[in-house]
Amino acid sequence: DVVMTQSPLSLPVTLGQPASISCRSSQSLVYSDGNTYLSWFQQRPGQSPRRLIYKVSNRDSGVPDRFSGSGSGTDFTLKISRVEAEDVGVYYCMQFSHWPWTFGQGTKVEIK
Amino acid sequence: EVHLVESGGGLVQPGGSLRLSCAVSGFTIRINDMSWVRQAPGKGLEWISYISGRNGAVYYADSVKGRSTISKDNAHSSVSLQMNSLRDEDTAVYYCAGGHFDYWGQGTLVTVSS
Repeated sequence: DVVMTQSPLSLPVTLGQPASISCRSSQSLVYSDGNTYLSWFQQRPGQSPRRLIYKVSNRDSGVPDRFSGSGSGTDFTLKISRVEAEDVGVYYCMQFSHWPWTFGQGTKVEIK
Repeated sequence: EVHLVESGGGLVQPGGSLRLSCAVSGFTIRINDMSWVRQAPGKGLEWISYISGRNGAVYYADSVKGRSTISKDNAHSSVSLQMNSLRDEDTAVYYCAGGHFDYWGQGTLVTVSS
């Protein structure tokens, strides 16, 4: 199985400051069709997950542009340019290039 | 607007069975993929099952393989997950997700306990 390793697992951030979450996969996520199926999800406290980013860097509709995704191969990053109070929650990366699909452990973002 | 509404959760004894359902509106499951994801209390997300909209192919995580069956009813726009031989470690909130996780339901809690 592809292991998705996120770091850090806990991320205290000052409001208005940037935040960055790393996600590394145990093997390349480039699929046979040339796409890289790596998504990022946000789960606010008490809520269902919500997809933010798909195929590494494509922002979902309604997602603020302070969120951005980047990376390739086995190394991916989610960045928040300026953290706002509503960004508190747990962030997960997920790969669906290889069966079984797998999530990272999650990174808890909190305000300092 | 897309809505996914899960139902069927509850308290079940170890070894028992449950059938979870996901009612979908505003989204055509006939041509779109559907998945189930679960989250044990205080833990992270775990993908457990998938059904292809294109050809009905199904996949399962090892943790539920052989004990679970995913199916869909295009006419009634619903997806189901039949879970058998339930174990304590199956206790979780079970989410239905549409497409490549574009859409999520609110989840239904399954508690396996004697």
